[in-house]
Amino acid sequence: SAVISQKPSRDICQRGTSLTIQCQVDSQVTMMFWYRQQPGQSLTLIATANQGSEATYESGFVIDKFPISRPNLTFSTLTVSNMSPEDSSIYLCSVVSSLNTGELFFGEGSRLTVL
Amino acid sequence: AQSVSQHNHHVILSEAASLELGCNYSYGGTVNLFWYVQYPGQHLQLLLKYFSGDPLVKGIKGFEAEFIKSKFSFNLRKPSVQWSDTAEYFCAVRTNAGKSTFGDGTTLTVKP
Repeated sequence: SAVISQKPSRDICQRGTSLTIQCQVDSQVTMMFWYRQQPGQSLTLIATANQGSEATYESGFVIDKFPISRPNLTFSTLTVSNMSPEDSSIYLCSVVSSLNTGELFFGEGSRLTVL
Repeated sequence: AQSVSQHNHHVILSEAASLELGCNYSYGGTVNLFWYVQYPGQHLQLLLKYFSGDPLVKGIKGFEAEFIKSKFSFNLRKPSVQWSDTAEYFCAVRTNAGKSTFGDGTTLTVKP
C-alpha cells in the first residue's frame, strides 16, 4: 500500500489567483495521477505525472491551466492557475500500487472553493 | 475511449437488506475492474478488484462482484448491508494504457 499526503486539505481562493497543491507519497512510485472530482460528479483524470518527463494531459485539460511538477519519485505538485468558480472542486492525487495489480491509492484530496 | 456507467445514483436500504449496484463499461480490449469506496470523511479506498480467473471476486467487508464479460458488467453485491456500509461507491475500469476511468458513483445510505 501507499500513504499519500496532500496539502492543503482545503482552501478558499479568489478568482484569478493560482494555487499549488502538493502530493507526497511514502514510497517511490513511477506513475502519479491527478484527478478532479467536481461536486456531485465522478473522478475525472486531469493528467499523468511521470518523473523526469512532461506530464500527459487528458482531453480538456492543458498545461497552462494545470501545470504539474514531478521532481522525484515521491512528490508532485498540481497548480490550478487563474482560477474561476468553475474550478471549485476536490483535487485528488493518486498512485498505482504496482503495474501488476493496477489498483489506485488516493490522498484525502484538496477541496478548493473559488469565490 | 473507455467509459463506465453506474445505474444507481442513490440507493437507500434498511439494515440487513441485500445490495446490488450495477456497473457497465465500454471498452473492446482487456480491462481490469475495480470497485472503490469512500466512507464519509475518508479517502477513496479499494473494495475489490478483478484481473483474471474466477469472475466472482470477493473483497473486504463481505462485498463481492461478478464480472460478466458478455455483458460488460461488474456488479457489486452484498447479501446483508450494515449501517457502516453507508458510503459512496465507484466502479472503475483500467485499460492496458494504465489509465483508470471511473463511473459517476453511487451513494448508498443504510438506515439503522
